[in-house]
Amino acid sequence: GAVVSQHPSRVICKSGTSVKIECRSLDFQATTMFWYRQFPKQSLMLMATSNEGSKATYEQGVEKDKFLINHASLTLSTLTVTSAHPEDSSFYICSARDRRGKVGPEQYFGPGTRLTVT
Amino acid sequence: AQKVTQAQTEISVVEKEDVTLDCVYETRDTTYYLFWYKQPPSGELVFLIRRNSFDEQNEISGRYSWNFQKSTSSFNFTITASQVVDSAVYFCALSERGAAGNKLTFGGGTRVLVKP
Repeated sequence: GAVVSQHPSRVICKSGTSVKIECRSLDFQATTMFWYRQFPKQSLMLMATSNEGSKATYEQGVEKDKFLINHASLTLSTLTVTSAHPEDSSFYICSARDRRGKVGPEQYFGPGTRLTVT
Repeated sequence: AQKVTQAQTEISVVEKEDVTLDCVYETRDTTYYLFWYKQPPSGELVFLIRRNSFDEQNEISGRYSWNFQKSTSSFNFTITASQVVDSAVYFCALSERGAAGNKLTFGGGTRVLVKP
């Protein structure tokens, strides 16, 4: 149980285009989903927290107009990188929190999406 | 603000050696959770352990063991008799209870290379 999928696993896009990454909780409902970015040989940095049906909360320094997050249902959140540039190339990882979890901050991680902007 | 420090950026050992990864954390909360994750070259995070701040018992799971010491704000991880498959980046993480959405703060990670 508690499986999170991401699609696509790998994407290459041209500079200036937009790319959408999907994060799905497959066997549970997620009230909260998190989006992280990981540059090569670095740690995971939280970009934003999204709650179903409400606006995402972005971490300091993350441009909300560039990284659009939509959490339209309890099983799906999307991250759209708008007008992507080479510096946006990174490994994007989502995680989801089971709405039934009342004790403990369990987060289940997706396999990640490697974005390359040329 | 919460903070996690993994002082060792990279550790190289020969197979069958033991390796200990250090993790030191900072938090103002009395209730918090600590985690260790493994990230193999594929990139997918693998959950290893969660420990809450009220449970200071050390834990052993196979070749893995964890030493939680609140007095020194440390949560160290030891791999006994390391194997090549243990080669990965290991992250320590902290979540404060009540933090918005229980968000995780990750340490910088320690890359472990186990040579045959």
